[in-house]
Amino acid sequence: KAGVTQTPRYLIKTRGQQVTLSCSPISGHRSVSWYQQTPGQGLQFLFEYFSETQRNKGNFPGRFSGRQFSNSRSEMNVSTLELGDSALYLCASSLGWGLAGGRDNEQFFGPGTRLTVL
Amino acid sequence: LAKTTQPISMDSYEGQEVNITCSHNNIATNDYITWYQQFPSQGPRFIIQGYKTKVTNEVASLFIPADRKSSTLSLPRVSLSDTAVYYCLVVESGGGADGLTFGKGTHLIIQP
Repeated sequence: KAGVTQTPRYLIKTRGQQVTLSCSPISGHRSVSWYQQTPGQGLQFLFEYFSETQRNKGNFPGRFSGRQFSNSRSEMNVSTLELGDSALYLCASSLGWGLAGGRDNEQFFGPGTRLTVL
Repeated sequence: LAKTTQPISMDSYEGQEVNITCSHNNIATNDYITWYQQFPSQGPRFIIQGYKTKVTNEVASLFIPADRKSSTLSLPRVSLSDTAVYYCLVVESGGGADGLTFGKGTHLIIQP
């Protein structure tokens, strides 16, 4: 079974631009979560989608948004990029609710998209 | 959500057993303890999850005492490829609105 895929793997943008990142979950998984990872802040939760509905959102500004399609694929968008948005953006999918413990809720992470904002 | 405390770094040698302890003093009755492994520039990888006593899979064991205030991840006979960051998480059984809280993790370095 194919793992979680994220595209693109690397991206360079300039301040003020916007960016869209894509995540394809493991087949059959309905939950997709997004995380931002930086050396200073570590892994921080952005938002989580389940069956096309955003159910939880982390403490990030409104410039960060996302959506999930009927095939469970997800995109996240960052508008008006700032230098501090440079990070590794990780997507994770799970069969059940990825933010809960227990069987079927194990999260499978993709390789990430490395975003550099100049 | 219960906060976890784990050592910032640990060193060991190939072939040794490595035990990483995580403290989680205010864990709720139904919370799970979950461990992830992360290599540089890769996404975290689920290792093991437990609720109480002992859980073992093909790569690790997780020991949880009766009071559940701490837990220990045990990696048998480590190799150089086990050098990574290990995160201990407390995950609510009903789901956490704040997402998974990864903390700083433990940098495990395995030497030849």
